[in-house]
Formats: sequence, structure tokens, C-alpha cells
Amino acid sequence: GAGVSQSPSNKVTEKGKDVELRCDPISGHTALYWYRQSLGQGLEFLIYFQGNSAPDKSGLPSDRFSAERTGGSVSTLTIQRTQQEDSAVYLCASSSLLPLNSGEERKKLFFGSGTQLSVL
Amino acid sequence: GENVEQHPSTLSVQEGDSAVIKCTYSDSASNYFPWYKQELGKRPQLIIDIRSNVGEKKDQRIAVTLNKTAKHFSLHITETQPEDSAVYFCAARNNAGGTSYGKLTFGQGTILTVHP
Repeated sequence: GAGVSQSPSNKVTEKGKDVELRCDPISGHTALYWYRQSLGQGLEFLIYFQGNSAPDKSGLPSDRFSAERTGGSVSTLTIQRTQQEDSAVYLCASSSLLPLNSGEERKKLFFGSGTQLSVL
Repeated sequence: GENVEQHPSTLSVQEGDSAVIKCTYSDSASNYFPWYKQELGKRPQLIIDIRSNVGEKKDQRIAVTLNKTAKHFSLHITETQPEDSAVYFCAARNNAGGTSYGKLTFGQGTILTVHP
């Protein structure tokens, strides 16, 4: 596709339910990030996938949060037993990890339009 | 790991004035520094970036400077316009090994308001 695609764009759920958020990165991008952004706040790093290496999970706020990246492409962020404080926009981003002299466009990070999660 | 500090958190200027946002980073191995602009309700968009082998880069009214020795870099916007109002994020890309290889670490963001 032309850009990073996220689905759904909006998700309303009840407290205690599980949710899955999907990210389709730009084709060929080996690096993929998940961020969380509350209203008026900064980008809270959640998890980083790069190629076939073990992901950097240092930003996941609790064990209710997990993410997978299957086949090095599509990623799913799962939040179990959602809480009201999980309400936020969840942003996915992808980039290439080619050396910096391999092309200006490839190293740039591109964001999806996000999933607005509302936990009632 | 990398730590990026961004200042100020808010910046208010009059139309036509210049705006400067500063960031510091902790990992001397970082070698790529992009800046993102996020308008209200939209996704962050890359506006300019700089590599560690360059000290300054300009693109029309926007410029970025990098001081590798001091480990800080800055965004300069000249002749500001109301449409420049947004949240701006700096970032640094890690070049060390391990699970954080190639990882971009973002600053906390600066809310820029340009008053007409």
C-alpha cells in the first residue's frame, strides 16, 4: 500500500473486554513501532520490532499489553481486560533499517492515522 | 538506552517571529535526527531530518542544526505563520546493537502557537 494502514480507526469497548488493534506497515519496512498518545500528550513508546530480532518491549505499561508481528509484516497490538485509562490513540509507524546512505526515503519513519480507543 | 529531552514544552510567538525548539540526546552513537509536526487530530509528519555527518540543514523557512560534541540539535522556524501552529517532536535514532538497533526515540513534544 501507499502508507501505514491501521484498523479499526475507532474502537469503543467496555471495561474488562479484550481488544485487538491492527497495523499494516509499508511494504518492505522491517522496523515497526507502536505508540500511545493521550489527548494533548506526547508519544508514549510501547514496543519496537526490527526484522527477525527480539522486539524491544520496554514500553509496554503492563502485562495486559502484548503485540505480535507475523511474517515480518502485519502487527497486532492486544490489550486484555481493558481499563478506562487505556483510552487513547494508538499509533503505528514503520521504517526501513537500511543503512542511512541507502536512500533518503527508506530510513524515514511513517505513521499510520491511528486507532482511537475508548474504554467505557 | 537513548534518552531525548525536548524544550520548551510550550512556545508562543507572534506571526513573523522566529521559533526555536531544542533537544538533547544521551547516546553518542545516535546518527539520525528527524523532526515531526503533528497538527491537531492528525498523525505526526516528518518535516526535516539531519544526519550526524552534517551540521546544518535548511528547507525554506525550516532549519535544523546539530552539535554532536554537545549532543544537542535544534529546530528553527523563521517568519512563522499561523499554520505552523502544531506539536513538534524531535527524535534520535540509535545506532547501537541489540533490541534497540535503529530505534527512534522521541522527545516529549513542543506545542507551538503562532498568534496572528
